[in-house]
Amino acid sequence: TVLTQSPDTLSLSPGERATLSCRASESVSDQYLAWFQQKPGQAPRLLIYGASNRATDFPDRFSGGGSGTDFTLTIDRLEPEDFAVYYCHQHGRSSRTFGQGTRVE
Amino acid sequence: QVQLVQSGAEVKKPGASVKVSCKAFGYTFVDYDIVWVRQAAGLGLEWMGWFNPNSGNSGLVQKFRGRVTLTRDASPSTAYMELSGLTSEDTAVYYCARAVRNLLLTEFWGQGTLVTVSS
Repeated sequence: TVLTQSPDTLSLSPGERATLSCRASESVSDQYLAWFQQKPGQAPRLLIYGASNRATDFPDRFSGGGSGTDFTLTIDRLEPEDFAVYYCHQHGRSSRTFGQGTRVE
Repeated sequence: QVQLVQSGAEVKKPGASVKVSCKAFGYTFVDYDIVWVRQAAGLGLEWMGWFNPNSGNSGLVQKFRGRVTLTRDASPSTAYMELSGLTSEDTAVYYCARAVRNLLLTEFWGQGTLVTVSS
């Protein structure tokens, strides 16, 4: 399953809203869709799982949604620490893949 | 506190093998799978495979079959990823991650191990 993220780069200012898209080449069950945040020199951190469940480390300005082949990550009111690369990931039974990433700068 | 601590950076020559370790702390090692992911410099994440420390079963992406071996020591709670036949294209940071069994959702990640392949 190929995951295509858009845009590749999102240029925004603190306080603005970021909307990141992840499109799958075939339908993905919600329970197998996750989002990760990665900052330079660090390992990825689980941000969203099951398409819309936020990991406990992250504030409620992060939200995930979508189903089937189209998924979205939204960051309301960007904070300076939110500028990073975000990856969508599907971990279904047949194959596990990552999107190419969206850089929020 | 769940932690995965990986071995240090390695420099290898083309054709050699490398073995990366991933030591688990703060949870029952055999209750979760270990997933391996790599990332070449400036590029995205590449899923490699998974390992069940309880059964010893594993699954690898097609491109790594025959070159990657996943193993473990139950005591101490350490998983290993060995990659053979290294080429420059294998230069990357290799991550291990704890994954929920059957879901393979990776919740906690190691700090990464840089493997550099250079003649």
